[in-house]
Amino acid sequence: GEDVEQSLFLSVREGDSSVINCTYTDSSSTYLYWYKQEPGAGLQLLTYIFSNMDMKQDQRLTVLLNKKDKHLSLRIADTQTGDSAIYFCAESIWGGADGLTFGKGTHLIIQP
Amino acid sequence: GAVVSQHPSRVICKSGTSVKIECRSLDFQATTMFWYRQFPKQSLMLMATSNEGSKATYEQGVEKDKFLINHASLTLSTLTVTSAHPEDSSFYICSARDQKGETEAFFGQGTRLTVV
Repeated sequence: GEDVEQSLFLSVREGDSSVINCTYTDSSSTYLYWYKQEPGAGLQLLTYIFSNMDMKQDQRLTVLLNKKDKHLSLRIADTQTGDSAIYFCAESIWGGADGLTFGKGTHLIIQP
Repeated sequence: GAVVSQHPSRVICKSGTSVKIECRSLDFQATTMFWYRQFPKQSLMLMATSNEGSKATYEQGVEKDKFLINHASLTLSTLTVTSAHPEDSSFYICSARDQKGETEAFFGQGTRLTVV
């Protein structure tokens, strides 16, 4: 079955870059997503990437995809206290028509 | 971005009672909505896919008679937890996809259910 793995915690200093990593097992994945969940809130889509791309940049966010290794990363430049949240990696085969398979989420902790 | 409203955000109910959770797409039409469940420190697990005007499709291991889903219109899906037990206590969250077929799924705020 499908599996999406992430480390549970990441601690970075304010102003540094954060890199959150994710691995997935389903080679059929065509869409890979990053969601942000703030305490008590729902999920907010940060960005997504198609499997035929290897990089996508959106302001402070950079997504890198290594399809061969089934590895996805999210880099947040100049990390701020407002970036403190849980970040979920998710994958989908049919662009979400089949629902998404999520990782357990990485809790990003910002140190002053 | 599009807005999905989920209500209530928190609910406490007694064992044996039923609880209904609503998921509304406010500014778009969604032929498909998804219901997820999140246990503490766990990932979100897809429970079922809700299709407007037809029966929901449940994931393996999810009891369809316990988690009743109704998607009666293009903007509303409901999840009813019937005869709730303490082990049903969890965070339930819905998402909706614009019928135009966009790849972005919009999530509701989630509902924290506590069964006592």
